[in-house]
Amino acid sequence: DAKTTQPNSMESNEEEPVHLPCNHSTISGTDYIHWYRQLPSQGPEYVIHGLTSNVNNRMASLAIAEDRKSSTLILHRATLRDAAVYYCILSRDSNYQLIWGAGTKLIIKP
Amino acid sequence: DGGITQSPKYLFRKEGQNVTLSCEQNLNHDAMYWYRQDPGQGLRLIYYSQIVNDFQKGDIAEGYSVSREKKESFPLTVTSAQKNPTAFYLCASSIAGGNTIYFGEGSWLTVV
Repeated sequence: DAKTTQPNSMESNEEEPVHLPCNHSTISGTDYIHWYRQLPSQGPEYVIHGLTSNVNNRMASLAIAEDRKSSTLILHRATLRDAAVYYCILSRDSNYQLIWGAGTKLIIKP
Repeated sequence: DGGITQSPKYLFRKEGQNVTLSCEQNLNHDAMYWYRQDPGQGLRLIYYSQIVNDFQKGDIAEGYSVSREKKESFPLTVTSAQKNPTAFYLCASSIAGGNTIYFGEGSWLTVV
C-alpha cells in the first residue's frame, strides 16, 4: 500500500497562508490524495481531495505535483481555528483502503 | 441535523469485561467503519461494512466484534480478548464508493 510522509509539526502566524507538504513517492495512477484534519478529542473532518489536477474548495486548495509524487495543502489565511492535526492519505478504490499516518500538527500563533 | 452519533463519549471498563460502543448515522450511507486511535498516532481500521448484514475485518480486528442489522447502526463490542483496549474509538460512514468519510465525535475507552 502506498504511504505518505509528512512533517511532524509546523508553525504559522495567524492570517498568513500555510503550506502543508506531503510526499507520496509510491503513489499509483489510480490513487486519490485526501486531506483530513482533526481537532483534539474529535473525529477527523474532510478537507479536500484530488487525483491529478489542483483543486479548490471553501476550506483550502490542493496543489498536486505534475509527477504526483508530492502534494501541498494550502490554507490561504490561517485562523486560530485551523490549529489541528492534518492528515494526508492515499486511497485506491475505496475508503476502507485508506492508510492513516501520524499527520502534521499545525500550530497557529496569534 | 444529519450526522453520526457515538455513545458514550467516555467509558470505563474493568479488565475481563466486554463493552459495546454505539454508532448511529442518519446520513443514509451504505458504508460504515470503526477505527481505533492511540495517542499521537493515526487511525487504524478495525471493521467496516459496505451493506446491511455484511462486514469485513480491517487491520486490527482481533478482540473486537461488530454487527450490522440496520443500515443506520454499526455497534462495536470490545471483548475481553482485546489485550490493550484503552484508546479513542471513531465511527465513520460514507456513500458506497464515495471519496469522503464522515466521522462521529469519538468514544474514549479506558480500562481500569
